[in-house]
Amino acid sequence: DAKTTQPNSMESNEEEPVHLPCNHSTISGTDYIHWYRQLPSQGPEYVIHGLTSNVNNRMASLAIAEDRKSSTLILHRATLRDAAVYYCILRVNYGGSQGNLIFGKGTKLSVKP
Amino acid sequence: EPEVTQTPSHQVTQMGQEVILRCVPISNHLYFYWYRQILGQKVEFLVSFYNNEISEKSEIFDDQFSVERPDGSNFTLKIRSTKLEDSAMYFCASRTGQGPRDQPQHFGDGTRLSIL
Repeated sequence: DAKTTQPNSMESNEEEPVHLPCNHSTISGTDYIHWYRQLPSQGPEYVIHGLTSNVNNRMASLAIAEDRKSSTLILHRATLRDAAVYYCILRVNYGGSQGNLIFGKGTKLSVKP
Repeated sequence: EPEVTQTPSHQVTQMGQEVILRCVPISNHLYFYWYRQILGQKVEFLVSFYNNEISEKSEIFDDQFSVERPDGSNFTLKIRSTKLEDSAMYFCASRTGQGPRDQPQHFGDGTRLSIL
């Protein structure tokens, strides 16, 4: 799977927006951009995914650059519960793939009250 | 909201013993996965399972590991002869096979396996 690059850590204040960047300069045309997060002592949790267009759901927004070589996960109002490790993952989309995820180290987000 | 459940939450086993980790995926899901996370390290893919057979496996998933879906609801990971380095959190995940090709995976909260 193509590689992603994320900052090791970021800090945010509670109730402020958070922009988590991800670089994926070697992305191919069929790779989906997925974001998962892992709260302390829990399993990974799906956040959002997209291919080319920006996406919104109840948890977050995903902004994808026009050339698709980078993306940004946006949490509109950070809460203490959003403190977690956030993973940006490229998932190869072809018929033979069963969709296993290749996790990197992610970005550890700290939220200050 | 339906969820993936894993039991036990913590398993302590003597080195060399067999261990079975159990998972109940979301009921209408068709694809199943096991991952592991050694303390302080990345989440690593072990194996994917579809249509009652292994689809893909990583280098970690050697002959000591096996998976099974014995009764249409449970999905198990067996380690035949455990080693100290098998100590880790083991996560089960599932995803639906219906709808758009790209679907998210849903993870359980894991089983912490401690080998003594």
